[in-house]
Amino acid sequence: DAMVIQNPRYQVTQFGKPVTLSCSQTLNHNVMYWYQQKSSQAPKLLFHYYDKDFNNEADTPDNFQSRRPNTSFCFLDIRSPGLGDAAMYLCATSSLRGDRDTDTQYFGPGTRLTVL
Amino acid sequence: AQKVTQAQTEISVVEKEDVTLDCVYETRDTTYYLFWYKQPPSGELVFLIRRNSFDEQNEISGRYSWNFQKSTSSFNFTITASQVVDSAVYFCALRGSSNTGKLIFGQGTTLQVKP
Repeated sequence: DAMVIQNPRYQVTQFGKPVTLSCSQTLNHNVMYWYQQKSSQAPKLLFHYYDKDFNNEADTPDNFQSRRPNTSFCFLDIRSPGLGDAAMYLCATSSLRGDRDTDTQYFGPGTRLTVL
Repeated sequence: AQKVTQAQTEISVVEKEDVTLDCVYETRDTTYYLFWYKQPPSGELVFLIRRNSFDEQNEISGRYSWNFQKSTSSFNFTITASQVVDSAVYFCALRGSSNTGKLIFGQGTTLQVKP
């Protein structure tokens, strides 16, 4: 089945130790998003790739970076995780190719990050 | 500015009761899209429905139904004969006419269905 896959599902890192979260998709969607969701809050968009174009949200800290080496994969890099970065990280994809009916975002299962 | 308000933070019902989750939105775009997502305890956001601003037809899918009213800027979600498996956080979201696809989420409503 076509889907959005995130690995790992649970990640534990130490304060200040770089960590990379991965997302892959088999939907062939051209847009990939990364969200941060803290407990009892709505998902917060960090950035997205529209094809190869990177779009950062204005309030996303510099500590967060992303890479998209190809259509199927997208990575979230946290350069120096702080305790406040502990959260669920959700990857989503959508197809924005001028067809209104395919812009729904489909989410992966998320990676729950713990910072010790 | 765009905004989505889900005034109900938590709702608790007994199994088989009907329950309505409210969603009110604000946008100046003439073309926009509304969504509902379900987030069970496992954490994954599950897509439930998408509605275009130019299509006010209500929709029913099994026990789920949605009432879209542009006149009151509301897109409410009703679960008929609720079940324990319906227990989750439900998010209403808005996408404006920009080409980024960015979603504006409401704060979510936690639904607890007790047996």
